[in-house]
Amino acid sequence: AQSVAQPEDQVNVAEGNPLTVKCTYSVSGNPYLFWYVQYPNRGLQFLLKYITGDNLVKGSYGFEAEFNKSQTSFHLKKPSALVSDSALYFCAVRDPSGSARQLTFGSGTQLTVLP
Amino acid sequence: KAGVTQTPRYLIKTRGQQVTLSCSPISGHRSVSWYQQTPGQGLQFLFEYFSETQRNKGNFPGRFSGRQFSNSRSEMNVSTLELGDSALYLCASSYGESPSEQYFGPGTRLTVT
Repeated sequence: AQSVAQPEDQVNVAEGNPLTVKCTYSVSGNPYLFWYVQYPNRGLQFLLKYITGDNLVKGSYGFEAEFNKSQTSFHLKKPSALVSDSALYFCAVRDPSGSARQLTFGSGTQLTVLP
Repeated sequence: KAGVTQTPRYLIKTRGQQVTLSCSPISGHRSVSWYQQTPGQGLQFLFEYFSETQRNKGNFPGRFSGRQFSNSRSEMNVSTLELGDSALYLCASSYGESPSEQYFGPGTRLTVT
């Protein structure tokens, strides 16, 4: 079975500081990994994905994520946070070798960027 | 290109009633997935359709059903509504059979009283 853990329910960071939102996963094969962001009363917006290749993935709005196979992690990062980055962030995983075809989401991390 | 649209955006129903939610995927996308989002359970997968066939189903009772039409539009139906069905129902579309990234609609907020 595939699973995702986001160990922090809430992350607070000052504007201009770097931010990290943590994600660890568990799959039996090589994972497909995703980050999504959700603003209040909105659906999820795709930020970035890792399928294969470079471990450092760059995505929308200046976000990037680093795939670490040995630590089974896929942490989301941004060098300089903006107040407008405040939102709910979800990590998701899919195991393409498994029978489960759907995305499995983490519980979400509420990011608050303080002015 | 227009995004994923869901109708209605808000819905209030009473226990025991049934409800049908609609989703129109991005043009050209053939895969549609449905998710239920609640504060307590987070995002939970309901089902996935590709070319009018249900490819996968989550752990929900048979009261939850869906279908996909030849134009890739999808509907989900919940019968005999319970208070616990109150949630944001999200539809997501993707291009191929093996979804890479999924694109989400704004959701339908269902309140059961």
